[in-house]
Amino acid sequence: GQQVMQIPQYQHVQEGEDFTTYCNSSTTLSNIQWYKQRPGGHPVFLIQLVKSGEVKKQKRLTFQFGEAKKNSSLHITATQTTDVGTYFCAGPFSAGGTSYGKLTFGQGTILTVHP
Amino acid sequence: DGGITQSPKYLFRKEGQNVTLSCEQNLNHDAMYWYRQDPGQGLRLIYYSQIVNDFQKGDIAEGYSVSREKKESFPLTVTSAQKNPTAFYLCASRTDRAANTEAFFGQGTRLTVV
Repeated sequence: GQQVMQIPQYQHVQEGEDFTTYCNSSTTLSNIQWYKQRPGGHPVFLIQLVKSGEVKKQKRLTFQFGEAKKNSSLHITATQTTDVGTYFCAGPFSAGGTSYGKLTFGQGTILTVHP
Repeated sequence: DGGITQSPKYLFRKEGQNVTLSCEQNLNHDAMYWYRQDPGQGLRLIYYSQIVNDFQKGDIAEGYSVSREKKESFPLTVTSAQKNPTAFYLCASRTDRAANTEAFFGQGTRLTVV
């Protein structure tokens, strides 16, 4: 099975509050990607992180890749109702054997925002 | 208009029947993927293909089969051996089979087995 844990599974916030989801791997990752899936929709790519300690920002979203390249986080500042959806991390996670070309997703964090 | 197309959007089948889900892309991507998503759950990898005429099992391949005879097409067959086939199925593709590019998803097929 997968060697990545994404937490929390659910997060309910009031509009304007911050939100963070974490992705933790038992092995070092070559890269990690983040996707957002709106309710009833399909996942859409947000960003990819490759370098150790990398931090990238997209407006109110901040993405980090850990120094050891084993964990990553997505932080949303001052959530809005448009942020509702499920956020996934994804990467060449593998329980064993080659992970070349494989794209495996974390369990996802379902975010609900109360206006 | 480039993209990845899954059809049909909704599919109903009787228990014990095989069913094939279509996935076509005109993005000239090498790699293609099939995922299963259950309500409130994440995406679980069924099969993936990095090049024509080659594919690998994902984490939950039992009860499924695929083929990759053309670069543009990666159909998924849900066989009668799949014990709980009702789910949302997503197909994805990406250009780089070396795993450093974003994946593009189709709209998904919601399969209901009765």
